[in-house]
Amino acid sequence: AQSVAQPEDQVNVAEGNPLTVKCTYSVSGNPYLFWYVQYPNRGLQFLLKYITGDNLVKGSYGFEAEFNKSQTSFHLKKPSALVSDSALYFCAVRDKNTGGGNKLTFGTGTQLKVEL
Amino acid sequence: DARVTQTPRHKVTEMGQEVTMRCQPILGHNTVFWYRQTMMQGLELLAYFRNRAPLDDSGMPKDRFSAEMPDATLATLKIQPSEPRDSAVYFCASGLHLTGNEQFFGPGTRLTVL
Repeated sequence: AQSVAQPEDQVNVAEGNPLTVKCTYSVSGNPYLFWYVQYPNRGLQFLLKYITGDNLVKGSYGFEAEFNKSQTSFHLKKPSALVSDSALYFCAVRDKNTGGGNKLTFGTGTQLKVEL
Repeated sequence: DARVTQTPRHKVTEMGQEVTMRCQPILGHNTVFWYRQTMMQGLELLAYFRNRAPLDDSGMPKDRFSAEMPDATLATLKIQPSEPRDSAVYFCASGLHLTGNEQFFGPGTRLTVL
């Protein structure tokens, strides 16, 4: 079974400060990990993914995430937050060793609020 | 710019009525997913298809929900009869069946059942 946890319902950060949105996962094998962002009244939009290789993954809009196998984490980061980054962020996982499609398990989401 | 499209974007109906939601996946994608999003339950996977065949619909209430792919360019999700608890945003997503590939989401159908 695969699962993902986002321990924070909401993260508040001041514009210009670095931001971190936390994600931990559980899979029986090795993971594929994803981050998505959802703006109000919109569908989820893909930000970045970890498949293999370098543990630091860079994605859209200046976001990056670091895969940490020992801590089973994949935290989303950005060096300098913008007000326009305010949105709902979802972490998702898929176990590499499961067959049958690319079914993802999503976390419950973290609301990011960036204030002036 | 290829996108997943969904119709209608908004639907208000009365309890007991049939509701049909449609999705056009990105051309060439061979997996299609239906999700439901509510404040209480978050994002739930209802069903998914690969090459038009249903692979998993365990998340879907079987007595009232049905999902089909009549052809590669159309996926449908039907609710009959609808109930107020079905009020939610329903998302369709598509992707390529290759390990590690991301899913691309449509804009959603906001369903309100009175």
